Amino acid sequence: NAGVTQTPKFRILKIGQSMTLQCAQDMNHNYMYWYRQDPGMGLKLIYYSVGAGITDKGEVPNGYNVSRSTTEDFPLRLELAAPSQTSVYFCASSYTRQGPSNEQFFGPGTRLTVL
Amino acid sequence: DQQVKQNSPSLSVQEGRISILNCDYTNSMFDYFLWYKKYPAEGPTFLISISSIKDKNEDGRFTVFLNKSAKHLSLHIVPSQPGDSAVYFCAASLQYSSNTGKLIFGQGTTLQVKP
Repeated sequence: NAGVTQTPKFRILKIGQSMTLQCAQDMNHNYMYWYRQDPGMGLKLIYYSVGAGITDKGEVPNGYNVSRSTTEDFPLRLELAAPSQTSVYFCASSYTRQGPSNEQFFGPGTRLTVL
Repeated sequence: DQQVKQNSPSLSVQEGRISILNCDYTNSMFDYFLWYKKYPAEGPTFLISISSIKDKNEDGRFTVFLNKSAKHLSLHIVPSQPGDSAVYFCAASLQYSSNTGKLIFGQGTTLQVKP
């Protein structure tokens, strides 16, 4: 299993440009999440999905959009990039919300710079 | 409104000694807590967790303690090894009362274990 994969690893955008951060998992997990991590800060939840076709906002959704057409893929769309979106973006997935372990598995991250 | 706080940005310990990382939370409804470890340029990886019905959980060199009355948890690493040098995040969730699996993360503590 590849686990959670993210592409690209690095990207530099100009202000106003758009891009899609790709995320895929091969563990048949129902739950998927997008986080951003700013320097010296913890991970902030942007959007999440509890299954194909179902998405909802997290703590910091402004400036982003998501879709979940399949169980495996959960792309994050940035429209009109702004310098405030410079961050490291992590995608994560988990199998179950309940039970003894709600472990989320993380991808390696995408480092995005907006200039 | 920081619901999960790690007030020590960094910690340095000698190899073989105990490392104690602390985490405080404000929401008494949190019922599940996790610790993640993160190396540079990688995504966080799950380390250990504890349910709110317990006050201690142990896994090898790692032990997590939960003090619900103080809304405080700590991670003990004994003995500390240079390979433990990483950023440690604590996270909390409404595991048994929410259908989202969302985690709230602290800011992280950078642990350095000196040989």
